[in-house]
Amino acid sequence: AQKVTQAQTEISVVEKEDVTLDCVYETRDTTYYLFWYKQPPSGELVFLIRRNSFDEQNEISGRYSWNFQKSTSSFNFTITASQVVDSAVYFCALSEVGGATNKLIFGTGTLLAVQP
Amino acid sequence: AAGVIQSPRHLIKEKRETATLKCYPIPRHDTVYWYQQGPGQDPQFLISFYEKMQSDKGSIPDRFSAQQFSDYHSELNMSSLELGDSALYFCASSLAGPPYEQYFGPGTRLTVT
Repeated sequence: AQKVTQAQTEISVVEKEDVTLDCVYETRDTTYYLFWYKQPPSGELVFLIRRNSFDEQNEISGRYSWNFQKSTSSFNFTITASQVVDSAVYFCALSEVGGATNKLIFGTGTLLAVQP
Repeated sequence: AAGVIQSPRHLIKEKRETATLKCYPIPRHDTVYWYQQGPGQDPQFLISFYEKMQSDKGSIPDRFSAQQFSDYHSELNMSSLELGDSALYFCASSLAGPPYEQYFGPGTRLTVT
């Protein structure tokens, strides 16, 4: 069965600190995709990154970076020099390949509070 | 760039009433998904469509139904509303295939009193 675990329910940091959000997933498939979404207080879900199971290269986008390790079934997300605008709930999600549509299985989310 | 449009943004209904939520996907996206997010919870998949045909179904109550129309917009119909149906309902669209990233609409906040 598919499952995504985000063990950190809430994290509080002070602006300019680095913070890492953990994501551990379970799947029996060898081909799958992983995602991160951001949900700010306004409520919308914002796509951040998509990664397939064959691409273990780490990715950096500005202050954001992602570390994908198949050996530990983890897809962690690091924000460098955090800012107050980073305050949001962050969801990690898994999607298996098959069929015309591919639903997202979300983790329970991590609430990140960045204090000024 | 055009985004996913959902209407209404807010809806207040009483128990046992009916609600209809609408979704307009991003142009050229051929898949539509519906998710339900309860307070403090993660989004839960309800149902999806590909090229106007139902493709997959999740934990969607029998009281709910959905369809996708010829212009690709989708509607989620909810009948005999219960207090527990109060939630944020998201529509998302994407291209069919690998899976590609899903782009979410702003959501419809349904409150059942």
